[in-house]
Amino acid sequence: AQTVTQSQPEMSVQEAETVTLSCTYDTSESDYYLFWYKQPPSRQMILVIRQEAYKQQNATENRFSVNFQKAAKSFSLKISDSQLGDAAMYFCAYRSAWGGSEKLVFGKGTKLTVNP
Amino acid sequence: NAGVTQTPKFQVLKTGQSMTLQCAQDMNHEYMSWYRQDPGMGLRLIHYSVGAGITDQGEVPNGYNVSRSTTEDFPLRLLSAAPSQTSVYFCASSTLNQPQHFGDGTRLSIL
Repeated sequence: AQTVTQSQPEMSVQEAETVTLSCTYDTSESDYYLFWYKQPPSRQMILVIRQEAYKQQNATENRFSVNFQKAAKSFSLKISDSQLGDAAMYFCAYRSAWGGSEKLVFGKGTKLTVNP
Repeated sequence: NAGVTQTPKFQVLKTGQSMTLQCAQDMNHEYMSWYRQDPGMGLRLIHYSVGAGITDQGEVPNGYNVSRSTTEDFPLRLLSAAPSQTSVYFCASSTLNQPQHFGDGTRLSIL
């Protein structure tokens, strides 16, 4: 079974600075998807970014980018120019490319605080 | 543009009571899932469905029942609520190779 590990329960960053959240995963599969979800205090689950394992190029969405290291099974999220609205729980998630889209495996999350 | 709608948003039950958490999506997604979120645990999969009439168990299925009679609806049933089922419940839907869309969650407390 796949597992996802987020080793940083809490992180903090100064507004306008850059922060990197770590995620490692364990799988024997070669084809899969990785995601970062943001959960603000409103409780909504918001997709931040996704990465297909077969793509070597790291995904980027505006101020959010990932460092995907397939051999090391590492998938970190970098937030540049941090804003107060980035404060939230961030979850890393894994999904197999086989068997459909119904099963996500989540890490335990990292709580990000943004200091003004 | 409703997306995934969960009802109710909050519920308090007594031990032993039964209830159904409702989930509906209007995107014609074939895949639907239920997760629970507990403090420090992330989200864990309870049950999922790959289409109408087809359901299967996830990581933590005990104490929960599901059915999928239509593409749109995927209710989660607690037959005899226990305090260990106090949690926040999320429903999600997706289509092939696309990210899951989540509902806003239901906070359930069992006394």
